[in-house]
Amino acid sequence: QKEVEQDPGPLSVPEGAIVSLNCTYSNSAFQYFMWYRQYSRKGPELLMYTYSSGNKEDGRFTAQVDKSSKYISLFIRDSQPSDSATYLCAIPFSGGYNKLIFGAGTRLAVHP
Amino acid sequence: DADVTQTPRNRITKTGKRIMLECSQTKGHDRMYWYRQDPGLGLRLIYYSFDVKDINKGEISDGYSVSRQAQAKFSLSLESAIPNQTALYFCATSDFPQRGPVDTQYFGPGTRLTVL
Repeated sequence: QKEVEQDPGPLSVPEGAIVSLNCTYSNSAFQYFMWYRQYSRKGPELLMYTYSSGNKEDGRFTAQVDKSSKYISLFIRDSQPSDSATYLCAIPFSGGYNKLIFGAGTRLAVHP
Repeated sequence: DADVTQTPRNRITKTGKRIMLECSQTKGHDRMYWYRQDPGLGLRLIYYSFDVKDINKGEISDGYSVSRQAQAKFSLSLESAIPNQTALYFCATSDFPQRGPVDTQYFGPGTRLTVL
């Protein structure tokens, strides 16, 4: 089982839709959960991160963690064409050596 | 100007050739990383360096080597390129743990490498 699993999509939605992007993970010791956004032909950039369970909101973006089911989500409200990108979940892990474990990324297209 | 730059941006090479990918940063970060990105596999860590004298293997270091020439420069070499090294390569930097509890990494624009 992979440490972090993410459906690669692609996901295509109309402008204004609510988007739900999800990852599952296997290690209950994980504490922080990150979301990176990657535009085409660019490197990933950190969008937001959360600690432990609960929600964190930043404008139209909400990150949610359910540690009981090892499930993390990123919701985008009122999606815009400029949100079209690949979204990668990432989990910091310090066992062995410090690393970020990335999901495969979900490609999102928001069409006008 | 971009904080993390990578050269070249695109490269096509042949099997068996030696190739070097270069990364420079102006962020003043001590930590630098090399990743490769493949469709369906996400980003995988090749090598990382916490300072000029500290270089460590990541999860997929076989077939690769690195050199940390200065705080700002970190190069990745493929000694004898093979087709399954065709991928998108990213350099990243961070100043963890100075700015907070998570290792926020700043990525370059990537190098698209094709090995024929």
